[in-house]
Amino acid sequence: DVKVTQSSRYLVKRTGEKVFLECVQDMDHENMFWYRQDPGLGLRLIYFSYDVKMKEKGDIPEGYSVSREKKERFSLILESASTNQTSMYLCASSSGTGAYNEQFFGPGTRLTVL
Amino acid sequence: GDSVTQMEGPVTLSEEAFLTINCTYTATGYPSLFWYVQYPGEGLQLLLKATKADDKGSNKGFEATYRKETTSFHLEKGSVQVSDSAVYFCALSEGWKGRDDKIIFGKGTRLHILP
Repeated sequence: DVKVTQSSRYLVKRTGEKVFLECVQDMDHENMFWYRQDPGLGLRLIYFSYDVKMKEKGDIPEGYSVSREKKERFSLILESASTNQTSMYLCASSSGTGAYNEQFFGPGTRLTVL
Repeated sequence: GDSVTQMEGPVTLSEEAFLTINCTYTATGYPSLFWYVQYPGEGLQLLLKATKADDKGSNKGFEATYRKETTSFHLEKGSVQVSDSAVYFCALSEGWKGRDDKIIFGKGTRLHILP
């Protein structure tokens, strides 16, 4: 069974802390994505990566950075957490481009910044 | 740019009722279309997909037909169950932009089914 796992389901951090969210996929997928999900706004793409050590900005990259040192792992970093980054964070992966560009999602990390 | 518009929720229905969730899209090419579902406490999972005009995607009793003339991909189910309570996302992918190919999601529609 294909799997995308995220390091934490729930996380509580304080303003100004550095936060790491980890995502691992076991499907040997090339592409990995980080989204945030907020009520009324749906999913918004933060960053994505189509290869090891490659990254591309999504729609809302400000305040975030990413790291992809290995194919199976994609990390989202909040350099200095702020309260407006309180959200649900979803990681996804896909095998590549094309018409069947299905993304597989992890269960999400609900981050609260106090 | 590409976009997806779906009906706002929440949608509340009784068990065994007929369901329609409307979805329309704007795209420059010929996108693939998807419905994803998010059950409480979980990530999104693909429900069904269609890759060209007039294709019908179906799964778990849900159906959606790719209508190019109306740029729509409405989700339907003939008889909903309490277990169908979830958030449903319509989405598209152009599929030809190479590295820039991404999935564009609608804002989601929350569905509540009452027993």
